Amino acid sequence: DIQMTQSPSSLSVSVGDRVTITCRASQSISSYLNWYQQKPGKAPKLLIYAASSLQSGVPSRFSGSGSGTDFTLTISSLQPEDFATYYCQQSYSTPMYTFGQGTKLEIK
Amino acid sequence: QLQLQESGPGLVKPSETLSLICTVSGGSISSSGYYWGWIRQPPGKGLEWIGSIYYSGNTYYNPSLKNPVTISVDTSKNQFSLKLTSVTAADTAMFYCARGPARIRGFDIWGQGTMVTVSS
Repeated sequence: DIQMTQSPSSLSVSVGDRVTITCRASQSISSYLNWYQQKPGKAPKLLIYAASSLQSGVPSRFSGSGSGTDFTLTISSLQPEDFATYYCQQSYSTPMYTFGQGTKLEIK
Repeated sequence: QLQLQESGPGLVKPSETLSLICTVSGGSISSSGYYWGWIRQPPGKGLEWIGSIYYSGNTYYNPSLKNPVTISVDTSKNQFSLKLTSVTAADTAMFYCARGPARIRGFDIWGQGTMVTVSS
C-alpha cells in the first residue's frame, strides 16, 4: 500500500501569508497526486489534480508542484475563506486511492 | 449540473449491514470514463477511500478494510449503493459518495455526506 504523509498536521497562519503544505508518498507516484480542501461540515473540494493542474473554478492563488515522492500545495496569499483542512490523495494506484492525514490551517 | 445525494439509515446496530444509496441527478451514471466512489470520514478524523465502481461495472475496494464491502449500480434509477457488513463502532463515520473522472484520477463532485452511527 502507498502511504501518504502530510506536514505539518496543523499550521497557524494569518491572512495574506504565503502557505506551503507538504505531502510525501511512501514510494514514487510520478505526478499522480491530488489536493482537496475541506471546510467544517462540508464535503471535500478538489483543488489540484495531477500534482499541478488547477481544477476549474479554483482561484489561481492555489498551486501545486512536485513529482516522485514529494509534493507541495502553495497558497500564495491566504484569504479568510481559505481556513480549512487540506488533504492530499495519491492516484498512482488508481482507482485505489489513499489520502494523507490532513493539514489544518488555523488563524494565528 | 451534476449532483449526488446520499441516503440511508443514520443508525445501524453492531454486526449488522450498513447500506447506503447515492442518487445521481443532472447526468447519467452510465456516462463513459467515470468512477463512482464511496469515501468515509470518522468524526474528527481524515478521509478514507472505501471503494469505487467504474461505469462498465468493474468494482475496486480498499484492501485495508476489515469488513466485506459491496458496491453496485442501478442504472435504471441512476443510483449506486454501498453495503458494509458486520459493522462495529469503528465504522461510525460521515459517508460521502463522489464522482471520479478517469482523467483526473480523483473525485471532482461530492455529495453532501450522510452521518452513520453504529450503536446498539
